[in-house]
Amino acid sequence: AQRVTQPEKLLSVFKGAPVELKCNYSYSGSPELFWYVQYSRQRLQLLLRHISRESIKGFTADLNKGETSFHLKKPFAQEEDSAMYYCALVSGYSTLTFGKGTMLLVSP
Amino acid sequence: NAGVTQTPKFQVLKTGQSMTLQCAQDMNHNSMYWYRQDPGMGLRLIYYSASEGTTDKGEVPNGYNVSRLNKREFSLRLESAAPSQTSVYFCASSHDRPTEAFFGQGTRLTVV
Repeated sequence: AQRVTQPEKLLSVFKGAPVELKCNYSYSGSPELFWYVQYSRQRLQLLLRHISRESIKGFTADLNKGETSFHLKKPFAQEEDSAMYYCALVSGYSTLTFGKGTMLLVSP
Repeated sequence: NAGVTQTPKFQVLKTGQSMTLQCAQDMNHNSMYWYRQDPGMGLRLIYYSASEGTTDKGEVPNGYNVSRLNKREFSLRLESAAPSQTSVYFCASSHDRPTEAFFGQGTRLTVV
């Protein structure tokens, strides 16, 4: 069965510091991985997906199949990045499996 | 452009009461989902509907029923609410596979 692991419940950094939110997955097939973000009092929204290899709001994530990881990175954190971040995996036709989430707090 | 709309936003129920959470999307999506979000547990899939007229169980279906009323609407029913069902419930939709899911604003349900 598929599984998404986010080992950190909370990550606290200062503004301007680099950020790395960890995500590891377990899936026997070829995974499709995503990062979703939930800002305070807003709905959950897609941040980026591995297949597009894009940078959104300065965030990037690279799929490492050898390490089964999809870590989210940003070189310089901003206060507005404070949010809950979820790593997610699509398996099969209709299942989107989420990790437990990491709360990112960026302090001034 | 409403996207995914859930009603109500907040609800308090007594143990044993029943209620239905409503969800509607205006993006002509085929697939719809119900998740619950609990602290430290992330989002867990309750039920999903890959197309109008079909529904399937997710990870935590016990105590819930769903109805895909038409392509736009997907409701979640609690027949006899229990305190363990206190949670935030999210409805989501996607075109087909959930490679980009759009979420509603959530329903905060408390069962006392």
